[in-house]
Amino acid sequence: DVKVTQSSRYLVKRTGEKVFLECVQDMDHENMFWYRQDPGLGLRLIYFSYDVKMKEKGDIPEGYSVSREKKERFSLILESASTNQTSMYLCASTPYLGSYNSPLHFGNGTRLTVT
Amino acid sequence: DAKTTQPNSMESNEEEPVHLPCNHSTISGTDYIHWYRQLPSQGPEYVIHGLTSNVNNRMASLAIAEDRKSSTLILHRATLRDAAVYYCILREEGASYGKLTFGQGTILTVHP
Repeated sequence: DVKVTQSSRYLVKRTGEKVFLECVQDMDHENMFWYRQDPGLGLRLIYFSYDVKMKEKGDIPEGYSVSREKKERFSLILESASTNQTSMYLCASTPYLGSYNSPLHFGNGTRLTVT
Repeated sequence: DAKTTQPNSMESNEEEPVHLPCNHSTISGTDYIHWYRQLPSQGPEYVIHGLTSNVNNRMASLAIAEDRKSSTLILHRATLRDAAVYYCILREEGASYGKLTFGQGTILTVHP
């Protein structure tokens, strides 16, 4: 089974801090994603990456950046955390970006609280 | 991605079948229907997908209407572990996952 591991389940940070969320997948998938999930808003795509050092903005990239130095690891960075970034963050991966037959595999999420 | 409409919530009793509906009246000919579910405190999990024909796997069955404007996810015997939020999603073949949209989903409650 594919395993997508997010380094922290719960995180509490202060406004203005730089925050790193880490995600590792063990199935050699090319494509990795960061979503945030908020009540009433569903899942929203922040960034995704289709190869090492490659990234593309999703629907809500403002206030975030990403890093993919190795294939298995995709990091989400909050440059200066704000309270409106309090959310559940979900990492996902998939082997084939354009294939209908390629499901997303999700981690269990990091619940970030910014105070 | 085309829009889907699902009921906000449904309830079932344990060991009974559950039919979760999804309307997608603006579906295009190349849109695949995917279902995911999200158990409490976990990330979403792929359940099943199909295009035109009904599909079965170890988790569930997917029944697709002849005009493809609606579909139904069928859990044949609900268990307490099936209590989750179920998402119906349309995905066009070849489309980037950057455009995959998870809506509100249906909250399924299973009673013992």
